[in-house]
Amino acid sequence: KNEVEQSPQNLTAQEGEFITINCSYSVGISALHWLQQHPGGGIVSLFMLSSGKKKHGRLIATINIQEKHSSLHITASHPRDSAVYICAVPSPDDKIIFGKGTRLHILP
Amino acid sequence: DTEVTQTPKHLVMGMTNKKSLKCEQHMGHRAMYWYKQKAKKPPELMFVYSYEKLSINESVPSRFSPECPNSSLLNLHLHALQPEDSALYLCASSQDPLDRVYGYTFGSGTRLTVV
Repeated sequence: KNEVEQSPQNLTAQEGEFITINCSYSVGISALHWLQQHPGGGIVSLFMLSSGKKKHGRLIATINIQEKHSSLHITASHPRDSAVYICAVPSPDDKIIFGKGTRLHILP
Repeated sequence: DTEVTQTPKHLVMGMTNKKSLKCEQHMGHRAMYWYKQKAKKPPELMFVYSYEKLSINESVPSRFSPECPNSSLLNLHLHALQPEDSALYLCASSQDPLDRVYGYTFGSGTRLTVV
């Protein structure tokens, strides 16, 4: 059983729309990663957060440690935001548990 | 320098070849990782090096042989691979394996095709 669940699995939206991707996890953690991967490409770390909210440009990430839930928001989405967004948490044995990813496609 | 650099970006090799993947970082990170990623799947951990010592080997076949010559460099030696080993191989680093604050930096990966 994957201990990190993301939703939705796939998301297609029009340029300019506000995007929300959700991540729920079952392990107790102190921090959570949001990662971005373009097709065929490497992984870029977007955020690592342990509480509250972080903002970087049009990206906003929030986390609620008590509810074991995090969200990634994209404001004013653009076709170049099309990618797979992955939620990842550190496991108790110092590995990383990855979610299955959310495939985002922004239409011009 | 805040990057993890992987070379080559693409590699095609035959099943009898020997090749190596290289990963380099100059951020002073003391933990380095190899991941394998198949299409449309999350990355799977292969190896973890902590302070230049192999600390985790996720039961990876011996045709994959990791090496950490120094704190900045991580290699993955490949020998007698199978077509099913074709994948994106990702390197990552972190300040140390217990890093819960600054997180991980990933390389852009090596796309490996075994023919």
